[in-house]
Amino acid sequence: GGIITQTPKFLIGQEGQKLTLKCQQNFNHDTMYWYRQDSGKGLRLIYYSITENDLQKGDLSEGYDASREKKSSFSLTVTSAQKNEMAVFLCASSIRGSDYTFGSGTRLLVI
Amino acid sequence: TQTVSQSDAHVTVFEGDSVELRCNYSYGGSIYLSWYIQHHGRGLQFLLKYYSGNPVVQGVNGFEAEFSKSDSSFHLRKASVHWSDSAVYFCAVSYTGYQNFYFGKGTSLTVIP
Repeated sequence: GGIITQTPKFLIGQEGQKLTLKCQQNFNHDTMYWYRQDSGKGLRLIYYSITENDLQKGDLSEGYDASREKKSSFSLTVTSAQKNEMAVFLCASSIRGSDYTFGSGTRLLVI
Repeated sequence: TQTVSQSDAHVTVFEGDSVELRCNYSYGGSIYLSWYIQHHGRGLQFLLKYYSGNPVVQGVNGFEAEFSKSDSSFHLRKASVHWSDSAVYFCAVSYTGYQNFYFGKGTSLTVIP
């Protein structure tokens, strides 16, 4: 079976810092996603990518950059961390017409 | 605006009870619907989906959901819950060919043993 791995699991950053989250999958899925999960707000799409080197903005892309240099990996960068920001970032992958497979998340805290 | 709403933030039941978790969507033509479960500290796991055909779909662990076009709903049900069903449940909808899903805010289910 395949696996989707997010690193790091926990990330503590400082205000204004650029922070990078990584996601790797070995399902050979075409599409990969980054969602942000805040308590009481559900999941909001930040970026997704339908193939290598493709990037599509979601509803929450402002303040983030993404990179899909390989089919198996999808990185997300917080361009300037906001003080007291606390959220879980979830990576997912899928092939067209199939369900999402999610990673276990990166928990971000900005101090 | 394409949205999905889950009206109940929290639901508490006793083990062995039946439960229904509600999901409503804004109608937009062709639609793909899914339910996911998230146990504490974990990522989301797929439960079931609907695109066409029989409006009642079966998922894992005894879960089922029923699509209703007239009510714009896709409620999740289980006849007899177990304490291990305690988790957050997310309804998701896509209008763009089973990708780029919009997720609801989630319903936290607590099952009391």
